Amino acid sequence: DIQMTQSPSSVSASVGDRVTITCRASQGIDSWLAWYQQKPGGAPKLLIYAASSLQSGVPSRFSGSGSGTDFTLIISSLQPEDFASYYCQQAYTFPRTFGPGTKVEI
Amino acid sequence: EVQLVESGGGLVQPGGSLRLSCAASGFTFTRYAMGWVRQAPGKGLEWVSSVSSGSVSTDYADSVKGRFSISRDNSENTLSLQMSSLRDEDTAVYYCAKATDNSGKNYFDSWGQGTLVIVSS
Repeated sequence: DIQMTQSPSSVSASVGDRVTITCRASQGIDSWLAWYQQKPGGAPKLLIYAASSLQSGVPSRFSGSGSGTDFTLIISSLQPEDFASYYCQQAYTFPRTFGPGTKVEI
Repeated sequence: EVQLVESGGGLVQPGGSLRLSCAASGFTFTRYAMGWVRQAPGKGLEWVSSVSSGSVSTDYADSVKGRFSISRDNSENTLSLQMSSLRDEDTAVYYCAKATDNSGKNYFDSWGQGTLVIVSS
């Protein structure tokens, strides 16, 4: 199975900050990676797919990059509604696997 | 607007069975793969199972293989998850999710609100 790791596990930030979250796959997955946002008590929401494609309706302050084993999610200017947990997920093969998550806190 | 509404969660004893359902609307159900993802209390997301649009392909996490069975009824736009031999560690919120397409490599672009399954004596 492909293992996904994320760092940091949590980050404290302020409104307006630039936040960077990294995700690493245990083996190459080309660009088959998604990023999801989940707010407390809510369902996950797809932000980025194919490593760098912005899902429809997602603000442009979110961006993704990377290929192979190393990936990055950047929030260019953190907004109050962005305080949430973020998960990466590989779609290269089954079983699908998620990273452990990164909590973005105030 | 895509809508996914899960039902069937509840309290079940270890070793018991439960069937989850997901009613889908707002899209052409027959065109998309579907899946289940769960989240134990205070934990991260765990993919459980996926099924292709025509039910030709099904896949399962090792943790549920042989105990859970995914199915879909394309005439009723319904996705199901039959869970048996339930264990304490199956306690979680179970989300129904729509895939972006029917390929073998896809993402989940719409999610239900989740249904809580508690396995406890």
